[in-house]
Amino acid sequence: NAGVMQNPRHLVRRRGQEARLRCSPMKGHSHVYWYRQLPEEGLKFMVYLQKENIIDESGMPKERFSAEFPKEGPSILRIQQVVRGDSAAYFCASATRFQETQYFGPGTRLLVL
Amino acid sequence: RKEVEQDPGPFNVPEGATVAFNCTYSNSASQSFFWYRQDCRKEPKLLMSVYSSGNEDGRFTAQLNRASQYISLLIRDSKLSDSATYLCVVIRDTGRRALTFGSGTRLQVQP
Repeated sequence: NAGVMQNPRHLVRRRGQEARLRCSPMKGHSHVYWYRQLPEEGLKFMVYLQKENIIDESGMPKERFSAEFPKEGPSILRIQQVVRGDSAAYFCASATRFQETQYFGPGTRLLVL
Repeated sequence: RKEVEQDPGPFNVPEGATVAFNCTYSNSASQSFFWYRQDCRKEPKLLMSVYSSGNEDGRFTAQLNRASQYISLLIRDSKLSDSATYLCVVIRDTGRRALTFGSGTRLQVQP
């Protein structure tokens, strides 16, 4: 049973470009969460999604960031017009409908030049 | 004030030592509590859930005190492989289910 998968593992973008981060949850998991970890800081919640629904996006920056979890395919975190301050590790976690335990993917490390 | 506070450490201990980490949370309505472990540049991994009755898993014991809003983790007989950052994690709202992380306590076990 494969764990949570994220790709790419490393992503380099220049300021103003777009970054797309993908997350495939564990088999049987219908809930996906995105977290961001800035350098030398703790993880911060960004968004919680179920298939085709955003349940809670209270941690998402108001501009440039969006997330989706379509009926088919992985969840996508999209960052438009990246800035240097977006450089961070972005972790995705998944869970079943009934359990609180979240399992994390290996993360995508975004570097904005 | 941070919602989940931890001593950042580092805690430098010799192999075989017993070490205790503490954590406090500010929201008295918090519902669920966990300890996660994070190795350098890796993803967090669940170590154990924490219950008011206390729970033990091998060398690890976790305790929750709801009245004091305090969570603890005890590691006995430390191993070199225990070196990592330990994250205190809280779920404030079981409807939202978002995890709120402390900044972590770094442990370095030395030979």
